[in-house]
Amino acid sequence: DAKTTQPPSMDCAEGRAANLPCNHSTISGNEYVYWYRQIHSQGPQYIIHGLKNNETNEMASLIITEDRKSSTLILPHATLRDTAVYYCIVRVATDSWGKLQFGAGTQVVVTP
Amino acid sequence: SQTIHQWPATLVQPVGSPLSLECTVEGTSNPNLYWYRQAAGRGLQLLFYSVGIGQISSEVPQNLSASRPQDRQFILSSKKLLLSDSGFYLCAWSVQIHLRLAGGTSSYNEQFFGPGTRLTVL
Repeated sequence: DAKTTQPPSMDCAEGRAANLPCNHSTISGNEYVYWYRQIHSQGPQYIIHGLKNNETNEMASLIITEDRKSSTLILPHATLRDTAVYYCIVRVATDSWGKLQFGAGTQVVVTP
Repeated sequence: SQTIHQWPATLVQPVGSPLSLECTVEGTSNPNLYWYRQAAGRGLQLLFYSVGIGQISSEVPQNLSASRPQDRQFILSSKKLLLSDSGFYLCAWSVQIHLRLAGGTSSYNEQFFGPGTRLTVL
């Protein structure tokens, strides 16, 4: 799977949008971008994934650039409970093994 | 609905002692199962994964082993613990989700993680 690069940390004010960048310049055409988050002392939680179109669900929005070399996860209205480490992962969509290779992620701290 | 259980939640063991961590999944059949470890202040490292009973693949050489005696049971073991085995151990399961779209078909794999076991080796 392609590697990803994320900033190590980011602060965000409560109620504001949090924009989390991820670079994946070596992504292949059949690789999806996945986002997970891990709240302290808990297991990771799936957030969203996408291939090339922008995606939105009840948790977040995912914006993927046209060349697919980078993406941004948007938390539209950050709350204190969104404080967590956010992981950007790319993996082959048809990989039935389902293995995820986690990097260091971005530590997001939402402040009042 | 599907649920995943891990026990114990916390464990303190002396160096050289054996280890057995258990993970069970409910509400699904023939899942892929995974063991991850997260050392203090570090990211998650995939240790083992399994696509079926008795089928175990190891990602990294280490002091640990895994077994899958039943479809929804995954066990992580060690004969003699090392200090470096301390960490947060997470079990996860996944299934491949297939979507039929207007332009064709698509599939993706979503993993669901258990609550974890925090192991301290002294």
